[in-house]
Amino acid sequence: AQRVTQPEKLLSVFKGAPVELKCNYSYSGSPELFWYVQYSRQRLQLLLRHISRESIKGFTADLNKGETSFHLKKPFAQEEDSAMYYCALRNSGGYQKVTFGTGTKLQVIP
Amino acid sequence: DAGVTQSPTHLIKTRGQQVTLRCSPKSGHDTVSWYQQALGQGPQFIFQYYEEEERQRGNFPDRFSGHQFPNYSSELNVNALLLGDSALYLCASSWTAGENTEAFFGQGTRLTVV
Repeated sequence: AQRVTQPEKLLSVFKGAPVELKCNYSYSGSPELFWYVQYSRQRLQLLLRHISRESIKGFTADLNKGETSFHLKKPFAQEEDSAMYYCALRNSGGYQKVTFGTGTKLQVIP
Repeated sequence: DAGVTQSPTHLIKTRGQQVTLRCSPKSGHDTVSWYQQALGQGPQFIFQYYEEEERQRGNFPDRFSGHQFPNYSSELNVNALLLGDSALYLCASSWTAGENTEAFFGQGTRLTVV
């Protein structure tokens, strides 16, 4: 069974401080990992995926298969980063079933 | 392109009733997935439709059923509603013929069972 764990419900940081949102997963195959973000009163949207190895809005995430982790990082938090962040895993095989974590609310304090 | 649209946005039903939620996928998408998001939780996968058939299903009872139409739009039906079915129901669409396709989510339908 696939599972995604986000241990922090709420993470508060000051503007300009580094951010790390933790995500651990369990999956027997080769997973595809994603981070989704939901800003206030907006729909859930994809932030980044591990296969792209890209930086979006200053955020990066590295897949660590040894530690089964996919932590989301940003060196300097901005107020507009305040949102709900969900880590998600898609099972291999091409199907689009996605398993989400419970989410972490990031609060950036001005 | 309006993206993924869901209707209605809010709904109140009585325990035991039946409800139908609707989803129109993003233009060009052929796959629709449904999720239930309870308060304070992440979305939970209900099922996925492709070529008008249920392709995958999560751990939800048979009271939850769906349908996909030839134009790729989809419906989620829930029978014999329970108080615990109160949640935000999300629809996501994607294009299946590609490994790196992104799923786009709708705004959701907020269902309240009283």
